[in-house]
Amino acid sequence: NAGVTQTPKFQVLKTGQSMTLQCAQDMNHNSMYWYRQDPGMGLRLIYYSASEGTTDKGEVPNGYNVSRLNKREFSLRLESAAPSQTSVYFCASISKGTGQINQPQHFGDGTRLSIL
Amino acid sequence: SQQGEEDPQALSIQEGENATMNCSYKTSINNLQWYRQNSGRGLVHLILIRSNEREKHSGRLRVTLDTSKKSSSLLITASRAADTASYFCASTSGTYKYIFGTGTRLKVLA
Repeated sequence: NAGVTQTPKFQVLKTGQSMTLQCAQDMNHNSMYWYRQDPGMGLRLIYYSASEGTTDKGEVPNGYNVSRLNKREFSLRLESAAPSQTSVYFCASISKGTGQINQPQHFGDGTRLSIL
Repeated sequence: SQQGEEDPQALSIQEGENATMNCSYKTSINNLQWYRQNSGRGLVHLILIRSNEREKHSGRLRVTLDTSKKSSSLLITASRAADTASYFCASTSGTYKYIFGTGTRLKVLA
């Protein structure tokens, strides 16, 4: 199994450009998450999707939008990239939603995004 | 910020020694989890301890939880060079959100 797959692995954008980060999981997981990781800050939650058809804001949602395309795929869009969005972005999933919040998260290997 | 804190921020030890890292969190929790992150990779789950547990073991890992102090510790015994990584705690508190700590960078010298 591939687990959680993120594309692209690296990207350089200019300020104001837009792009979509893709995430897909093949573990039939219900809930999916997007985080950003900055030096010394750990992981901060951008958006999550408890189940197909639902999305909710996390701690740092400003400047981002998400789409839960189907059960497998959860994309993150930057409409107008800013240098402050330079970061490493991680997608994660867990096997259950309602009533099973204790499950460990499964992570992709990240997208390293630089905005000039 | 909702983030938890971990200390030390960085730790360097010799192979064979034990490594201890600590995590503090801010709200009441359902469980606390520890993850490892190798350079350039995603996080990998190591161990989960529930709020009604005080200690848990898995191989060379020992986790303790003190809910009265809102803190947890991860002990890695007989460390190996392959244990070199960053380690993060993550707490959950009855929602779908996982609150991660700031991480401890562990370097094990051969």
